[in-house]
Amino acid sequence: QSALTQPASVSGSPGQSITISCTGTSSDVGAYNYVSWYQQHPGKAPKLMIYDVSNRPSGVSNRFSGSKSGNTASLTISGLQAEDEADYYCSSYTSTSTPYVFGTGTKVTVL
Amino acid sequence: EVQLVESGGGLVQPGRSLRLSCAASGFSFDDYAMHWVRQVPGKGLEWVSSISWNSGIIGYADSVKGRFTISRDNAKNSLYLQMNSLRAEDTALYYCARIRLNDYFDYWGQGTLVTVSS
Repeated sequence: QSALTQPASVSGSPGQSITISCTGTSSDVGAYNYVSWYQQHPGKAPKLMIYDVSNRPSGVSNRFSGSKSGNTASLTISGLQAEDEADYYCSSYTSTSTPYVFGTGTKVTVL
Repeated sequence: EVQLVESGGGLVQPGRSLRLSCAASGFSFDDYAMHWVRQVPGKGLEWVSSISWNSGIIGYADSVKGRFTISRDNAKNSLYLQMNSLRAEDTALYYCARIRLNDYFDYWGQGTLVTVSS
C-alpha cells in the first residue's frame, strides 16, 4: 500500500486561502468517505482537523474545510494565519491488507 | 480530558527487543480500538498496528508483521507493543492513537522515540 500523494509544500500570505491535495486510488480515497486530515506542529503530536472528508471536530476553526472528488481529497485553509504554519497529513481507510494509509505530508508556510 | 502517554522507548541494538506501553485516561478505554502509528523524525506517518476493544481483531503493517505484537490490558487501561528483531528501519517516534468508529484517529499521545543502532 503506497502513501497517498500530497504536495511537499504550499505557501500563502496571511488572509489568503490555500488548498492541499491528497491523491490516492480507487482502493482508498476513491472507495470510502473515510478521509481525515491532521495538523502537526514541530515537536508535537498530530491533531485531527477534518474527518469523514468534510467534518470538523469540535474546537477546530471553520477556516478549515475538506472535500473530495474521485480519488483526490482536498483540505482548504481560508483566512490563512501564522498559527496555521505546520505540516498537514491526509489519511484514508483502505480495502487492502493495510487498513489505514497516510499521505506524504505537506508543509504549509505562511509568508 | 483524554490522555495517552507512551513510554518504553530508547536506544536498542539491531536484533534486540523493546516493549512500548501507552497509558490511557479520561475515557472508557475498553470502548475503543487502539492503534500504533510511527514517524521517522522529519518524515511522514506510517500506520503500524491495531487492536479492537476486546483484542479480538488485530492487524499489522507488512513491515512489522511477524516481529511486532500488539496487546492491551483493559483492566489497566493500557496498550502495548512488543517489538522483536528490531531493525535500523524501525527507528521512529511511536505514537499510540485512539480511533473513532474505525475511521479516524481523534486522540494521539506525544510519542516515544525508538532508536535502533549498534
